[in-house]
Amino acid sequence: EVQLVESGGGLVQPGGSLRLSCAASGFTFSRYEMNWVRQAPGKGLEWLSYISTNGNTIYYSDSVKGRFTIARDSARSSLYLQMNSLRAEDTAVYFCARNFYDSSGDAFDIWGQGTMVTVSS
Amino acid sequence: QSVLTQPPSASGTPGQRVTMSCSGSNANIGTGLVNWYQQFPGTAPKLLIYANNQRPSGVPDRFSGSKSGTSASLAISGLQSEDEADYYCAAWDDTLNGVVFGGGTKLTVL
Repeated sequence: EVQLVESGGGLVQPGGSLRLSCAASGFTFSRYEMNWVRQAPGKGLEWLSYISTNGNTIYYSDSVKGRFTIARDSARSSLYLQMNSLRAEDTAVYFCARNFYDSSGDAFDIWGQGTMVTVSS
Repeated sequence: QSVLTQPPSASGTPGQRVTMSCSGSNANIGTGLVNWYQQFPGTAPKLLIYANNQRPSGVPDRFSGSKSGTSASLAISGLQSEDEADYYCAAWDDTLNGVVFGGGTKLTVL
């Protein structure tokens, strides 16, 4: 079964750090570009970051640029998000999502179940 | 404030056809492709439509998408109670160099 499973969420104080992981299974992880997307409580989806298959191309949203770092380890079939200088507004469910491509276009076709991050003192 | 604009709510009765819009700009929808995601409360989003009008395997043909200029639409025909969910549009934004989502439309089946 094709699956993404996030972990690493929890309660952290403002200014603190957290590292999220996303374990992939059921597909060849190294062949797929990956993303992080979050959703604050009661709010919509917000794309955060993208990483290419070899890790050489990375994009961030302005809201996390300079504070969050995306990385991947194909040997472990895992995606990571290092989150530093966390703020209350970073409180959200964090999803990893696989990029799917075909001749028509691309989209996020597989999503993890999400991991909750709460930033509060 | 989301880069893509969606009406916050939509509604319809079973069997009816409903549409929901997604408005953007030349930096995103106008020059790119639109994807639609369906999300039920407490669950991860699910890809519903990609590349404006393509349905992934397993998505019923009751769901269809279209794009014109800087706007896109999702249509659901033969509305069913299980279609009650939140629907998000998304596209790549050339100015922001990232994916942008709409604020989502909450669909209620009356």
